[in-house]
Parts: sequence; structure tokens; C-alpha cells
Amino acid sequence: EAQVTQNPRYLITVTGKKLTVTCSQNMNHEYMSWYRQDPGLGLRQIYYSMNVEVTDKGDVPEGYKVSRKEKRNFPLILESPSPNQTSLYFCASSKTGTTFSTDTQYFGPGTRLTVL
Amino acid sequence: GENVEQHPSTLSVQEGDSAVIKCTYSDSASNYFPWYKQELGKGPQLIIDIRSNVGEKKDQRIAVTLNKTAKHFSLHITETQPEDSAVYFCAAHNWLTGGGNKLTFGTGTQLKVEL
Repeated sequence: EAQVTQNPRYLITVTGKKLTVTCSQNMNHEYMSWYRQDPGLGLRQIYYSMNVEVTDKGDVPEGYKVSRKEKRNFPLILESPSPNQTSLYFCASSKTGTTFSTDTQYFGPGTRLTVL
Repeated sequence: GENVEQHPSTLSVQEGDSAVIKCTYSDSASNYFPWYKQELGKGPQLIIDIRSNVGEKKDQRIAVTLNKTAKHFSLHITETQPEDSAVYFCAAHNWLTGGGNKLTFGTGTQLKVEL
């Protein structure tokens, strides 16, 4: 089954404790992206990757890191989480990611993160 | 950058009635407008999309209209059913702003279909 998977689905942590949220897709997609969803703000892009070893900042990158060593995986790293990073996080992927691309984006099931 | 406004934030309709959700965008260079449905505990899922060279698109009970002059687009759901209850997001893609296949999302509409 074609899908985007995220782990963990739920995470409660404390301020300053490094964490990683994994994202994996099995559709051989080039483009992957991370969004955060907050009430009243919709989804906002954190980071994106057009292909392996190519990553760039989205609209709200502060406090996050990413890496794209393999095509299928795109982990989101919070080196020192803070309470304002409490949110619902979604990973998404699409077939291509060029500037002109309008390929359908497929979203994972989400990771609900709480930072105390 | 692009800004997408979405209204209403909540919408309650009776089963069988129609539902309309409206979005406006700020940048006239935006060229692609998808709509996503998010059910409880799941990620957003594409339900319909429209490109800037088309004024209307329909898929069974769902239709989307685009007015480029006014920079607004709308989602129409006819003969609503309880399974239509979900949060709906509109989005816009602007190839001039870079970011690859980046979407700017509206703030979402919670649709509730009552029996």
C-alpha cells in the first residue's frame, strides 16, 4: 500500500530533550516536506527536500533540523524542544518537487507532540 | 508572500443540504488550488483540485470554482452525508515563490453534517 508513515504518533517530552520524528514514504517520491498544524493557523511548512541531500527552509524553520540521506526517509529533529513547539506535525511527499510542480502531496497520519 | 484566508471556520448543515466553503488568496501568480479533507486522527487527503486555466471542476458531489479576477475559490458539496463531517483545508501553490511544491494553506473549516 502506497503511504507515508510517521513515528511516533504521540510524544510527550520535556524542554531541552532532543527528539527525532521519523517519516518514511514507499512511493519513490522525490519531494518531501514537514508541516506543523496549529489551531487557527492551518498548516505551515517547516522544511522541505527536493531530493536526496537537498533540503531548504520553509516558513517556520526555527528550532528544527532535517536530513535527507535516503530518498524514502526525511526525519525531523528538534535539538532542544521548547513548549512553543507543541503542535501536530505532518510529513508529506510528492512525486516531483520542482518549483513548477503541482503533483499531489500525500500526507502522513501526523505526530502529536507535547513539550512540557 | 502568499496569504490564504478561509471562511467560515465552522459550518453546520443538515444531511442532504449543500455546504460551501470559500477561500481568497493574495498573490495573482498562484496557479494551483487543491482542497484537502482531514478526518479525525488522520492526515489531510486531497479531494479535488483546480488549476488557474480552469473556472470550474466537478467530481460527483464535490465541485470547486475559481474566480481569478477576484482571487477567490470555493468548495461546494451537495447532498451532504454524515461521512462528509471533517475539517476542510484550501491551499494555493505559487510557482514564483519557490519552495518547490510548496502549498500555502487556509486555516481550515470544521464541517458538521447533522442527521
